[in-house]
Amino acid sequence: SQQGEEDPQALSIQEGENATMNCSYKTSINNLQWYRQNSGRGLVHLILIRSNEREKHSGRLRVTLDTSKKSSSLLITASRAADTASYFCAIRDTGGGNKLTFGTGTQLKVEL
Amino acid sequence: GAVVSQHPSRVICKSGTSVKIECRSLDFQATTMFWYRQFPKQSLMLMATSNEGSKATYEQGVEKDKFLINHASLTLSTLTVTSAHPEDSSFYICSAPPGGCCQETQYFGPGTRLLVL
Repeated sequence: SQQGEEDPQALSIQEGENATMNCSYKTSINNLQWYRQNSGRGLVHLILIRSNEREKHSGRLRVTLDTSKKSSSLLITASRAADTASYFCAIRDTGGGNKLTFGTGTQLKVEL
Repeated sequence: GAVVSQHPSRVICKSGTSVKIECRSLDFQATTMFWYRQFPKQSLMLMATSNEGSKATYEQGVEKDKFLINHASLTLSTLTVTSAHPEDSSFYICSAPPGGCCQETQYFGPGTRLLVL
């Protein structure tokens, strides 16, 4: 399967702490994207990092990409209760088209 | 920003009936749309790629006669679950890249929750 693997599967932290989620994949990629999903809802695009980029920031989000290790990490700094959601990485491989293959997801719970 | 809608948001049906789910791009044209299925507490699995004016491309293991896809216009794709059974109960999500198949960003619909009794 080309599906990405994410760890941890579940993460519970206190508000104000940082949350780190990791994603590993198996193929060559054009880009890797991170999405957020609130329970029972659609997906919200968070950030995209291209294969020639190593790090990207967006607000409290920091994404890294290591193509040699085929892995990426998403860091949420100073977490808030509203960050509670499932987070998925998705890869667009080099095979053409715009298909996204999603990782297994990390369920983040931020407690007050 | 670009918006993708789905209708209905939730549907309950009896086993053996067919259910149609619509996916619309509201402020952009989408020559390609993607249909995903998500079981509880699991990831999204791509079912098929819907192409305007041509046949859909199905992923391995997805029955094309079971999940009929029609990309009727540049803003509408429909997924029909034929002769639905309880195991088809799932969350169905569509997405569309504005500007054509190979744009980097995709916009996702809010999803349709299907429950087959």
